[in-house]
Amino acid sequence: QQQVKQSPQSLIVQKGGISIINCAYENTAFDYFPWYQQFPGKGPALLIAIRPDVSEKKEGRFTISFNKSAKQFSLHIMDSQPGDSATYFCAASNSETSGSRLTFGEGTQLTVNP
Amino acid sequence: DSGVTQTPKHLITATGQRVTLRCSPRSGDLSVYWYQQSLDQGLQFLIQYYNGEERAKGNILERFSAQQFPDLHSELNLSSLELGDSALYFCASSVTGIGETQYFGPGTRLLVL
Repeated sequence: QQQVKQSPQSLIVQKGGISIINCAYENTAFDYFPWYQQFPGKGPALLIAIRPDVSEKKEGRFTISFNKSAKQFSLHIMDSQPGDSATYFCAASNSETSGSRLTFGEGTQLTVNP
Repeated sequence: DSGVTQTPKHLITATGQRVTLRCSPRSGDLSVYWYQQSLDQGLQFLIQYYNGEERAKGNILERFSAQQFPDLHSELNLSSLELGDSALYFCASSVTGIGETQYFGPGTRLLVL
């Protein structure tokens, strides 16, 4: 019940296109859903995060869509750029019972072709 | 740069050995987390400390232990190392340790030969 499922495993888009990564969770007690971006040899860096009281959050070219009833959330990267090529992880945590331990999805390797 | 520092960057050791990984959290952060990243297991939570006290435990092996010191830096001790322990070990920190952004360090890459 602690799992977070992420798809696709890899994604190739053209420069200027839209990248979409999806995640699904099982634990309805999760109340914080961040997305992290990781470049090779670096630690994960927070990209954008959402809480279940809103259905969408946008920051620049990055948007999280959240569907509480379906227990799904997704990351949309508009106008994708070659510099966005990285691995993206969705995550979830339950702040009530287990601190802020993050349960991560499996990751999506995004390649943006110029 | 997240403000979280980890040393060493790389570590090569042999099976059966013991190593210590060190983490310094961002200034003002009281909570420290350790995660393991491997190809087959992905990013897995190991353990969390808040202001010196253990707060949460994940799938951390009994051969692994951690602590957080009064100056808030943390150490992860890995003993009786096995080939399968080869992975990236990340430390993250946050202010209160409850439902907020975690900032990750650059990681320590451990290779057990």
